[in-house]
Amino acid sequence: DIVVTQSPNSLAVSLGERATINCWSSQSVLYSGDKKNYFAWFQQKPGQPPKLLISWASTRESGVPDRFSGSGSGTDFTLTINSLQAEDVAVYYCQQYYSAPYIFGQGTKVEI
Amino acid sequence: EVQLVEFGGGLVQPGESLRLSCAVSGITFRNTYGMHWVRQAPGKGLEWVAFKTISGDKIYYADSVRGRFTISTDNARNSVFLQMNSLRAEDTAVYYCARDRGGSLMDVWGKGTTVTVSS
Repeated sequence: DIVVTQSPNSLAVSLGERATINCWSSQSVLYSGDKKNYFAWFQQKPGQPPKLLISWASTRESGVPDRFSGSGSGTDFTLTINSLQAEDVAVYYCQQYYSAPYIFGQGTKVEI
Repeated sequence: EVQLVEFGGGLVQPGESLRLSCAVSGITFRNTYGMHWVRQAPGKGLEWVAFKTISGDKIYYADSVRGRFTISTDNARNSVFLQMNSLRAEDTAVYYCARDRGGSLMDVWGKGTTVTVSS
């Protein structure tokens, strides 16, 4: 199994400041066949289902503000939220979808 | 717009069974690559449960549910199901279905249905 470790568990950031969340996978999720990293980031607000923010480690989904960015390759990945807004308060999860079981990170609670 | 709606959750006793359904609309189901079930225990993180391609050539389960849960699809009804047998207290969670866009990427999620296993 490819295990995903996420840090920190929680993060308090001032409005307008930057939030950074890190994830590591126990094996590379970079597939040599298509040169893609099978790694995603989700946002979950209270009482709501998860929402896909970023796929393939760095591709923002349609409608996701450009203050959200994903980076990294292989086993090390980062989600950066620039200029944090009040509506960004949520739990953020990373996930590898390279191979089953498609394990999620433990989650990072982002607060103001 | 793609929409997923789960139903079938409820309160059951340990050892009993439950069948969850997820109705998919807004897309041609058979053009979808596959469907996932993901669960979230109260106050906890996300746990992937099961995946099935629409074609049926791939079916995967988490170790925690293998042998007890069965994922299936009905293309005519644009639906995916999760048959849960021998339920345990630790299966208590909100269960979400999610569409697989391709490459195992879960891009659209339902709002979830709650399963509580308790005596």
